[in-house]
Amino acid sequence: GESVGLHLPTLSVQEGDNSIINCAYSNSASDYFIWYKQESGKGPQFIIDIRSNMDKRQGQRVTVLLNKTVKHLSLQIAATQPGDSAVYFCAEKGLSGGSNYKLTFGKGTLLTVNP
Amino acid sequence: DAMVIQNPRYQVTQFGKPVTLSCSQTLNHNVMYWYQQKSSQAPKLLFHYYDKDFNNEADTPDNFQSRRPNTSFCFLDIRSPGLGDAAMYLCATQGDRGATNEKLFFGSGTQLSVL
Repeated sequence: GESVGLHLPTLSVQEGDNSIINCAYSNSASDYFIWYKQESGKGPQFIIDIRSNMDKRQGQRVTVLLNKTVKHLSLQIAATQPGDSAVYFCAEKGLSGGSNYKLTFGKGTLLTVNP
Repeated sequence: DAMVIQNPRYQVTQFGKPVTLSCSQTLNHNVMYWYQQKSSQAPKLLFHYYDKDFNNEADTPDNFQSRRPNTSFCFLDIRSPGLGDAAMYLCATQGDRGATNEKLFFGSGTQLSVL
């Protein structure tokens, strides 16, 4: 029979262009945010993180922006390369039941880089 | 060097036949997580261990169980797999549950098929 699955948001860019991937979160108590990259058939790979007392953090070719007012997170990738093609997930951590800290993933975005 | 190792990489089981997935870590981390990830969806937390303290998510079916005999190893047992349990199962570790800036390290996952 036909299989039905959810369709990921997609972003298609040309090699060398900058990419911006967006994420909205819902828990105002979240105090730590992470971006993960997941290639097909592999586990999520850490890219960059940011704490809630910051609004911007830069890494190698990547920048994360946090807007707590509108509960929005973005990942900017400079000079996107074919090897950046993957699904990107944002994740948030905050108190969940006492002292437990739970990492909750947002919907992923499929980034495709065209050569 | 692999730090979170999941075996096997692919697992095929029959409907209703118990199956066990394994995870080991060389990081000596206190916390180990099991996530379920279905196609084109975000990873969903099933449960986690803080040392020997087991923490189940409220919506995790009873069909899923876990064991952690020591710091290095954690097992996911599916007592009676159904077709809907076919998914990628991801193991992750964290250094300390109480540290909000501790990122999770993921294994490569086990892709489970149920026939």
